[in-house]
Amino acid sequence: DGGITQSPKYLFRKEGQNVTLSCEQNLNHDAMYWYRQDPGQGLRLIYYSQIVNDFQKGDIAEGYSVSREKKESFPLTVTSAQKNPTAFYLCASSPGVAYNEQFFGPGTRLTVL
Amino acid sequence: KQEVTQIPAALSVPEGENLVLNCSFTDSAIYNLQWFRQDPGKGLTSLLLIQSSQREQTSGRLNASLDKSSGRSTLYIAASQPGDSATYLCAVKGANAGKSTFGDGTTLTVKP
Repeated sequence: DGGITQSPKYLFRKEGQNVTLSCEQNLNHDAMYWYRQDPGQGLRLIYYSQIVNDFQKGDIAEGYSVSREKKESFPLTVTSAQKNPTAFYLCASSPGVAYNEQFFGPGTRLTVL
Repeated sequence: KQEVTQIPAALSVPEGENLVLNCSFTDSAIYNLQWFRQDPGKGLTSLLLIQSSQREQTSGRLNASLDKSSGRSTLYIAASQPGDSATYLCAVKGANAGKSTFGDGTTLTVKP
């Protein structure tokens, strides 16, 4: 079954902790993305990667970090520097960057306790 | 900076009605525009992708149009059904091909 998986579905974090959200795709896509969604709002881009070992900051990268060591995987770490991390996090992928359709995973809901 | 606006924020219609959702954007230098559907607490499902050189795309009861010069796209849903109830988002991929800018969405309720 081809697609994008995200884990966990729900994540709870204490203040001051770093947490890592997993995103895996078996679509053989080159590009991967991380977005944040707050209630009643659209998506905002955190980071994106066009190819393995390369990634670019999006509009709201502060307090987040990523890695792209494998084509299939693009984990997102929410660090303690992110002041308001409670949100719904969505991972996406596309065959390339410019003209291609984006496909999304099911999301991870992060709550800070 | 690209800005994307979706009006109305919410729409309620009776089953069977045809309806139009609107998406406007400020910078016409785009690669493509994509329409998505999002059910509560779920990820986004791609509905239609329109490249910058295209005027419209159709899939089943859905038709999306693109007018770059006026910075507008519409999503037409024919013969609406209760199962169409969801939030519909548009996303514009602009001059920086790595970045898509999303609207805040239109929440559609189709009443039986």
